[in-house]
Amino acid sequence: QKEVEQDPGPLSVPEGAIVSLNCTYSNSAFQYFMWYRQYSRKGPELLMYTYSSGNKEDGRFTAQVDKSSKYISLFIRDSQPSDSATYLCAMTSTDKLIFGTGTRLQVFP
Amino acid sequence: GAGVSQSPRYKVAKRGQDVALRCDPISGHVSLFWYQQALGQGPEFLTYFQNEAQLDKSGLPSDRFFAERPEGSVSTLKIQRTQQEDSAVYLCASSSTLAAAGNIQYFGAGTRLSVL
Repeated sequence: QKEVEQDPGPLSVPEGAIVSLNCTYSNSAFQYFMWYRQYSRKGPELLMYTYSSGNKEDGRFTAQVDKSSKYISLFIRDSQPSDSATYLCAMTSTDKLIFGTGTRLQVFP
Repeated sequence: GAGVSQSPRYKVAKRGQDVALRCDPISGHVSLFWYQQALGQGPEFLTYFQNEAQLDKSGLPSDRFFAERPEGSVSTLKIQRTQQEDSAVYLCASSSTLAAAGNIQYFGAGTRLSVL
């Protein structure tokens, strides 16, 4: 079993929908949680960064961390076609990041 | 300033060839990471440098993989006697902080290696 599990999708939603992306993990030592967005043939780009449990909001994006359940989420409000990409969750307690497999999201007009 | 730069963007190698992949981190960043991303998968950690010191190489899959950062800036990932299973995107990331835990890593676009 992988340390970080993420549904690979693909997830297809209409423009304007609320999108929910999730990851579960097994290592209780993880303290730092991130969401990266990766467009095709590009490197991952940091979207959200959270330390320990709690919520963080940035524009249309909200990240939630529930350490008691070992579960993290990313919500995208008013989704746009430009949000179509692969979303990777990542977490760490030390130096190296442990990534999920990524969820492919397609937002259609 | 410029982000993390990787070259070449694409590399095709015949099985058994040696390849060298280059990473130019963001200027002034002391930490540098290499990851391997197979098709349809998330990146997997290979190795980590702090300045010129290689502090963690636990993710290197075999002794055919070697990384260096001799002057604490540019890094090279070398793969000897390439095999088909080495085909992947190799990502480089850099981070400005000396403290390793929780550092924000900025990624390059990657080098896509295809071994025929």
